[in-house]
Amino acid sequence: DIQMTQSPSSLSAPVGDRVTITCRASQGISNYLAWYQQKPGKVPKLLIYAASTLQSGVPSRFSGSGSGTDFTLTISRLQPEDVATYYCQKYNSAPPITFGPGTKVDIK
Amino acid sequence: QVQLVESGGDVVQPGRSLRLSCAAAGFTFSRYGLHWVRQAPGKGLEFVAVISYDGRNEYYADSVKGRFTISRDNSKNTLYLQMNSLRAEDTAVYYCAKGIFGVVVDALDIWGQGTMVTVSS
Repeated sequence: DIQMTQSPSSLSAPVGDRVTITCRASQGISNYLAWYQQKPGKVPKLLIYAASTLQSGVPSRFSGSGSGTDFTLTISRLQPEDVATYYCQKYNSAPPITFGPGTKVDIK
Repeated sequence: QVQLVESGGDVVQPGRSLRLSCAAAGFTFSRYGLHWVRQAPGKGLEFVAVISYDGRNEYYADSVKGRFTISRDNSKNTLYLQMNSLRAEDTAVYYCAKGIFGVVVDALDIWGQGTMVTVSS
């Protein structure tokens, strides 16, 4: 099975900062990569699919890029409401879908 | 409104069984693959099982294969997860989720609120 890794595992940044989270697949997955945001005590929410397509209703400060094995999620200007854990997930070819271990984002 | 509502979570002893349900509304249920994803306390998201739109294909995580069974009733817009031989490590919030494109490998655009399963003696 394809394994997903994320870095960093956690980060703390000031409001307004640009934040980047990296996700890496153990094998190429083309652009079959999604990003989720899970706020404390809440349900995961789809932010981005197909590596860079913003889900409807998601603020434009979120963006995704990458293809193959290396992907990034960027928050252009961090806001207090962005405090959450972010997960990447691959969904190429055969099951299963696989999630990354998550990156916890806090405000400094 | 598109929504998924899970039910059936409980506290059960190791070795016992439990069946979770997920009622869907607001979309054409029979067109979409559906997933169960779980999250142990303080941990990340883990795929459990997926079933195709027509119920003909099922896939399971290795950790639950042979113990859990996913099924669906398209006439009732309901997804199920039958969990047998439960173990302490099955303790988690269980989410049902809908695939965005309808296939068995998919991004998940709609999630239920989750139902808690606790396996403890």
